Amino acid sequence: EIVMTQSPGTLSVSPGERATLSCRASQSVGSNLAWYQQEPGQAPRLLIYGASKRATGVPARFSGSGSGTEFTLTISSLQSEDFAVYYCQQYDDRPPYTFGQGTKLEIK
Amino acid sequence: QVQLVESGGDLVKPGGSLRLSCAASGFTFSDYYMTWVRQAPGKGLEWISCISSTGASKFYADSLKGRFTISRDNANNSLALQLNSLRAEDTALYYCARSRWGLLDLWGQGTLVTVSS
Repeated sequence: EIVMTQSPGTLSVSPGERATLSCRASQSVGSNLAWYQQEPGQAPRLLIYGASKRATGVPARFSGSGSGTEFTLTISSLQSEDFAVYYCQQYDDRPPYTFGQGTKLEIK
Repeated sequence: QVQLVESGGDLVKPGGSLRLSCAASGFTFSDYYMTWVRQAPGKGLEWISCISSTGASKFYADSLKGRFTISRDNANNSLALQLNSLRAEDTALYYCARSRWGLLDLWGQGTLVTVSS
């Protein structure tokens, strides 16, 4: 089973600033990496797939990069609605398609 | 309206069983793999199981040790998860999700399973 590790566990950033979240895989997953956003009390929402492709309706301030074992989600200018928990998920080859433990993005 | 609606969550005693359901609407259900994901209170997301579009292939998280069974009924646009030998650590919100190549592009709102004596 591929283990996904996210860092940091909590990130404190001021509105309008840039946030950078990291995700590492225990073995290469190619570009088969997705990011999800979960607001309090809500179901997760797909943000990024294929490591760098934005899902439908996702604002351009969200961008993903990386391949292999190292991935990054960047939010260029934080808005109030962006403060949430973010999860990465690998979907390489066959299941199980594991999630990272999440990064909580909080207002500084 | 494109949506997934889970049901069947309940309070159950340790060792008990429960069957969760997920009703799909607004899309061609039989075209998609479907997945169950759970989230324990205050914790992260845990991938549990997925099933191919025809139901012929089923996959499970190693941690489940054969206690859960996924199934689907394409004629009725529904997904199910049978939970057996339930433990306190199975307490969670269970989500069903539509899957494209493994990524999850549509989620339901979840159904809560509580395992307690």
